[in-house]
Amino acid sequence: NAGVTQTPKFQVLKTGQSMTLQCAQDMNHEYMSWYRQDPGMGLRLIHYSVGAGITDQGEVPNGYNVSRSTTEDFPLRLLSAAPSQTSVYFCASSYSGFSYEQYFGPGTRLTVT
Amino acid sequence: TQLLEQSPQFLSIQEGENLTVYCNSSSVFSSLQWYRQEPGEGPVLLVTVVTGGEVKKLKRLTFQFGDARKDSSLHITAAQPGDTGLYLCAGAKTSYDKVIFGPGTSLSVIP
Repeated sequence: NAGVTQTPKFQVLKTGQSMTLQCAQDMNHEYMSWYRQDPGMGLRLIHYSVGAGITDQGEVPNGYNVSRSTTEDFPLRLLSAAPSQTSVYFCASSYSGFSYEQYFGPGTRLTVT
Repeated sequence: TQLLEQSPQFLSIQEGENLTVYCNSSSVFSSLQWYRQEPGEGPVLLVTVVTGGEVKKLKRLTFQFGDARKDSSLHITAAQPGDTGLYLCAGAKTSYDKVIFGPGTSLSVIP
C-alpha cells in the first residue's frame, strides 16, 4: 500500500492564480481531511469529508474548495491564491472516525508570491 | 483562540534528562491523541487516550488523560536524540467528530 500520497511536493504560485492540490489514499478510509501547518500554529483543519459525496468546513475554510467524488481522492482547490495561503498542506485519512488514527501524507509546501 | 493549548512551546534538554509536556483546554474531549512530527514529514500517531484518568505507557513515554478529560500530559524518561521532534496533541469532542490540533511542543534532545 502506498498509504496517503500528495502531489505536488512543492509549488510556487503568483497571487491570483488557482491550482489543485491532489490527495489520494489506497486504504479504503472513509474519513479524509486537509490541514495547513504554519509556524507556531500546529495543524489547522481546512475541510474534511466523512465519505464520498460528503464534505464539510473546518476551522479555516475560506479561499479553499474541496470535493469527494470517490473514496480514494480528496483534492483541495485554491480558487485565487493569496500570500496568506503560503503554508505546508497535509492531507490525512482515517478508517472510521477522526479520533481513530489519522494517516498523514508527506505534505505540499506552497509559496504564494 | 486555540481550543487546545500546549506548553512549553520549545524545549531543549540534554540526553538522559526527563521531561513533561502539557496539553490543556477549557473544553471536554471524548478522546485526546498525541502525534510526533519530524521535519519534512507528516505527523505520526503515538497514542490515543479515551478514559478520564487513563495512563498509557509506550516504552519511555507515559501519557495521561486528566480526570475531567480537559487536559493531557506526555512524560519522557531518559530522553534520547531520537526523541527530537514536534509533539502535537489533538482532540475530538465526540468519537466521530473532527479532530482539532494544538500548536505543538518542539523538543530538541542534545547528545
